[in-house]
Amino acid sequence: GQQLNQSPQSMFIQEGEDVSMNCTSSSIFNTWLWYKQDPGEGPVLLIALYKAGELTSNGRLTAQFGITRKDSFLNISASIPSDVGIYFCAGRPPNYTGANSKLTFGKGITLSVRP
Amino acid sequence: DGGITQSPKYLFRKEGQNVTLSCEQNLNHDAMYWYRQDPGQGLRLIYYSQIVNDFQKGDIAEGYSVSREKKESFPLTVTSAQKNPTAFYLCASSIEYQPQHFGDGTRLSIL
Repeated sequence: GQQLNQSPQSMFIQEGEDVSMNCTSSSIFNTWLWYKQDPGEGPVLLIALYKAGELTSNGRLTAQFGITRKDSFLNISASIPSDVGIYFCAGRPPNYTGANSKLTFGKGITLSVRP
Repeated sequence: DGGITQSPKYLFRKEGQNVTLSCEQNLNHDAMYWYRQDPGQGLRLIYYSQIVNDFQKGDIAEGYSVSREKKESFPLTVTSAQKNPTAFYLCASSIEYQPQHFGDGTRLSIL
């Protein structure tokens, strides 16, 4: 089946640094989503992208929908300690329509921020 | 406030026992989903339902069962046939073409 690739599994940065995460696939997606999960909680939606080339910001977060529709990236600028967590990308393939918003998820990147 | 409520937060299962995880949403979403999360594995889809009284198997449905008798409720039963049930279980819901929203999860452990 379709898979989304996120690597590395863990990232360690210094507080105040910027960080960029990629998500890639061998097949195209119509929607790209970025979620953050804090320990013991459910993922929370950060940014949703619906159009190839789209660039969207949410505070210190910026995400882009790749032109090829096979990738997306998420940038976090001026990181702070509360940015710690697991960041998941998710995509919706072209063959899922209507009420079925079935998603394919990456395995996530665990971000650690050193004070 | 609108949202997705999962209960209990922690659940323990004995050998040979079935347990049921609750998921309720008041967002008026048509579709609901159950995922299993293991460390380093990401989210794997167990079952999903697009409409009341209908549901489909996901990627890892063996050993699990669901029902969708009401729009707002989608309980998941972990049966004794699931030999490795220890995991974090997440419920989500969505409406047409919109992203999924998640509950806060239930952590299931074996006694």
